[in-house]
Amino acid sequence: GAGVSQSPSNKVTEKGKDVELRCDPISGHTALYWYRQSLGQGLEFLIYFQGNSAPDKSGLPSDRFSAERTGGSVSTLTIQRTQQEDSAVYLCASSFMAGGVTGELFFGEGSRLTVL
Amino acid sequence: RKEVEQDPGPFNVPEGATVAFNCTYSNSASQSFFWYRQDCRKEPKLLMSVYSSGNEDGRFTAQLNRASQYISLLIRDSKLSDSATYLCVVLSGGSYIPTFGRGTSLIVHP
Repeated sequence: GAGVSQSPSNKVTEKGKDVELRCDPISGHTALYWYRQSLGQGLEFLIYFQGNSAPDKSGLPSDRFSAERTGGSVSTLTIQRTQQEDSAVYLCASSFMAGGVTGELFFGEGSRLTVL
Repeated sequence: RKEVEQDPGPFNVPEGATVAFNCTYSNSASQSFFWYRQDCRKEPKLLMSVYSSGNEDGRFTAQLNRASQYISLLIRDSKLSDSATYLCVVLSGGSYIPTFGRGTSLIVHP
């Protein structure tokens, strides 16, 4: 499809395990964002990639969280030693230009992470 | 104080009603404003941008008040299909990272 694709759509893991979440943005979109949304909460910014520039990691909640974007396209968000408070929907979004220009972010359907 | 604040609601209105939501932002350097819509267990989608002079898209009207640092969304003639959470989004000057409010829940009933 032409939209942002995320996998897995659902992930149940045990506390202490590592997880990887994948995002395939819309082709040609240079900006890529990761947000997370906990039940009843707003979207919490995690990390932002723009082209080949160094990512803005200012939203990552701890050093257990990391992300990379290979070849300016697919991105992987990794959470090490998962904790129960990591349970949330992890949303990836891409934008044709940096969000500040058009403001329109195209979101994937999200990866729902449950840590038991 | 949160950067973007919204009344979570829910706003429970009958079909055909007019309903308005406000959103306040704390950063006076904010330059771009948007409303997104998020259906239950779905991803957010852009509803409309908010321009300084105010703008309208069908039954939806968005307005910006820079002096008081708030934006509003007015929905006229509410439809059942308008039931969703409406997210206020603010982008500060020099930033490429949109900040989302927690959202306002709207329930339109027959």
